Amino acid sequence: DQQVKQNSPSLSVQEGRISILNCDYTNSMFDYFLWYKKYPAEGPTFLISISSIKDKNEDGRFTVFLNKSAKHLSLHIVPSQPGDSAVYFCAASEYGNKLVFGAGTILRVKS
Amino acid sequence: GAVVSQHPSWVICKSGTSVKIECRSLDFQATTMFWYRQFPKQSLMLMATSNEGSKATYEQGVEKDKFLINHASLTLSTLTVTSAHPEDSSFYICSARDAGGRAYNEQFFGPGTRLTVL
Repeated sequence: DQQVKQNSPSLSVQEGRISILNCDYTNSMFDYFLWYKKYPAEGPTFLISISSIKDKNEDGRFTVFLNKSAKHLSLHIVPSQPGDSAVYFCAASEYGNKLVFGAGTILRVKS
Repeated sequence: GAVVSQHPSWVICKSGTSVKIECRSLDFQATTMFWYRQFPKQSLMLMATSNEGSKATYEQGVEKDKFLINHASLTLSTLTVTSAHPEDSSFYICSARDAGGRAYNEQFFGPGTRLTVL
C-alpha cells in the first residue's frame, strides 16, 4: 500500500517557466513533509520541508504548498533552470519516525 | 554542514562473499541512521533504522541475518551484506538524523554505494 504517491513519472518544462511537482498521501497521521532532489548515482539532497501546521513554505525559488484536506502537497520551482533537471522525491513522516518516499518525478528543464 | 559520507562508493564482489558499507556523519552527531536501497527507476525503500548503541529495527521483508547493521558510535553506522548474491545488487543509501540543532524530522543522505554482485 503506497502511502505517498507521485503520479507523474516525468515532467518537462521550458527554462524560465514554473515547474509544479505533485504529491498525494493517504496517511492522515503524517505531520511533516519533505522534498528531495536526486541525481543519478548520488544520494538525495534536501530541498525544502513543511510542517502540517502550515500550508506554505518558501525558500528562494522553491515553494511547497500543503493542502491537508486534500492530502496533497506540491513543489513549485520558479523560474526553472536547466540545473534543476533531476529526480524529485516527496517524503512524509509521522511524529519524527521513518520517512516514507514517493516513487519520484523526473523533471527535465529545457533551455 | 550536515554532511554524510559513504564508503565505498562502488564495489564489485563475487557471489558468496560479504561486503561492508560504512556511513559516517562528518559534522554532526547522529543518534539515528537509516539504510535504504534503491532499484533502478524505483523509489528509496527503507531497509532498517539504526540507533546508536542498540539493535537495528528492520522493515518487514528485510532479512536481518543477511543485512547486518552496526551503529557503534554517534558518527558511524555499518551495513554488512553477508553471503551476497546477484539479487543483492543495488544502490544502497544511508541517511542520518541530527541529534540536536536541526529539525528532528530531517534526514541527511550519503552519496550512496553501488553494489554489484557477480
